[in-house]
Amino acid sequence: AQSVTQLDSHVSVSEGTPVLLRCNYSSSYSPSLFWYVQHPNKGLQLLLKYTSAATLVKGINGFEAEFKKSETSFHLTKPSAHMSDAAEYFCVVTEGYGQNFVFGPGTRLSVLP
Amino acid sequence: EAQVTQNPRYLITVTGKKLTVTCSQNMNHEYMSWYRQDPGLGLRQIYYSMNVEVTDKGDVPEGYKVSRKEKRNFPLILESPSPNQTSLYFCASSLSWGRAYEQYFGPGTRLTVT
Repeated sequence: AQSVTQLDSHVSVSEGTPVLLRCNYSSSYSPSLFWYVQHPNKGLQLLLKYTSAATLVKGINGFEAEFKKSETSFHLTKPSAHMSDAAEYFCVVTEGYGQNFVFGPGTRLSVLP
Repeated sequence: EAQVTQNPRYLITVTGKKLTVTCSQNMNHEYMSWYRQDPGLGLRQIYYSMNVEVTDKGDVPEGYKVSRKEKRNFPLILESPSPNQTSLYFCASSLSWGRAYEQYFGPGTRLTVT
């Protein structure tokens, strides 16, 4: 069965410094992996996805993630945090026929001025 | 505008009173799904549908029903709501149900059962 671990429930960074949000997954088959962002009182928006093509995936708003099969990780990074990045971030895995999506518990990102 | 809509956005009800939360998408998507979001647990899948008249259980289906009679609509039914179903509910859709397809989410329905 597939599962997702997000290693930090809360990450706090200063504006202009790098962001690292960690995600580890467990999957029996070749997975697809996604990062979604949820701003306060909003729905979820796709940041980026990995579906077995390039292992370094670029997304919107300067975010990127690298799929590392040997480490079963899919960490999300951004070189320079902006105040508007403050939100909840979810790592998601799906496998097989892709009908069952499993979310991690989320990481809340705070950006300090 | 391409979107997933949910109604109502907010609902307060009492234990045992049947309710339906509607979900509609205008993107001709095959796949639709319902999730509940609870603090510290992320989103958990309740039910999903791969096409009209094809539905299946997700991880937390107990106490919920769904139907998919039309491609665009996927209502969530709570026949006898209980306080432990107080949660934030999201409907989502995707073009199809392969691994490459991302989901598009509705704005959410906040349900309180007293």
